[in-house]
Amino acid sequence: EAQVTQNPRYLITVTGKKLTVTCSQNMNHEYMSWYRQDPGLGLRQIYYSMNVEVTDKGDVPEGYKVSRKEKRNFPLILESPSPNQTSLYFCASNPGQGIYEQYFGPGTRLTVT
Amino acid sequence: ILNVEQSPQSLHVQEGDSTNFTCSFPSSNFYALHWYRWETAKSPEALFVMTLNGDEKKKGRISATLNTKEGYSYLYIKGSQPEDSATYLCAFIDNAGNMLTFGGGTRLMVKP
Repeated sequence: EAQVTQNPRYLITVTGKKLTVTCSQNMNHEYMSWYRQDPGLGLRQIYYSMNVEVTDKGDVPEGYKVSRKEKRNFPLILESPSPNQTSLYFCASNPGQGIYEQYFGPGTRLTVT
Repeated sequence: ILNVEQSPQSLHVQEGDSTNFTCSFPSSNFYALHWYRWETAKSPEALFVMTLNGDEKKKGRISATLNTKEGYSYLYIKGSQPEDSATYLCAFIDNAGNMLTFGGGTRLMVKP
């Protein structure tokens, strides 16, 4: 089954404790993105990657890192999480940007205390 | 940051009503517009990708139109059903082609 998977689905952590949210897709898509969703603010893009080893900042990259060492994986790293990073996070992939629809993962709900 | 706005923010209709809502986006540097349907506790799912001025797309009872010159798209739902209850998101891509900018969404609730 074609899908985007994310882990963990739920995470409660404390300020400053490094964490990684994994994202994997099995559709051989070149393009992958991370979004955060906050009430009243809609979906905002954090980082995107156009291919292996090619990443770029979205609208809200501060406090996040990403890497794209393999085509299928695009982990989101929070080196020192803070409470303002409490949010619902979505990973997405598509064959290329622009005219191709995005396929979203199931979401990761992160709480930083 | 590009300004993509959706209206209304929320909408309550009765089963069987037809409804429509709007996505406004910058009219310059247009590349593509996406519509997504997002049910509670699920992930957004694509409805349409629109690229040409005057485009009309249809999927069952849902259709969309696009006006790139004036910077808006309409989403129509004919004969709303309770299962249409969801948040509908539009996303704009400019001609750099790399980033999607989402609107805030329209939350539709259809009462049986």
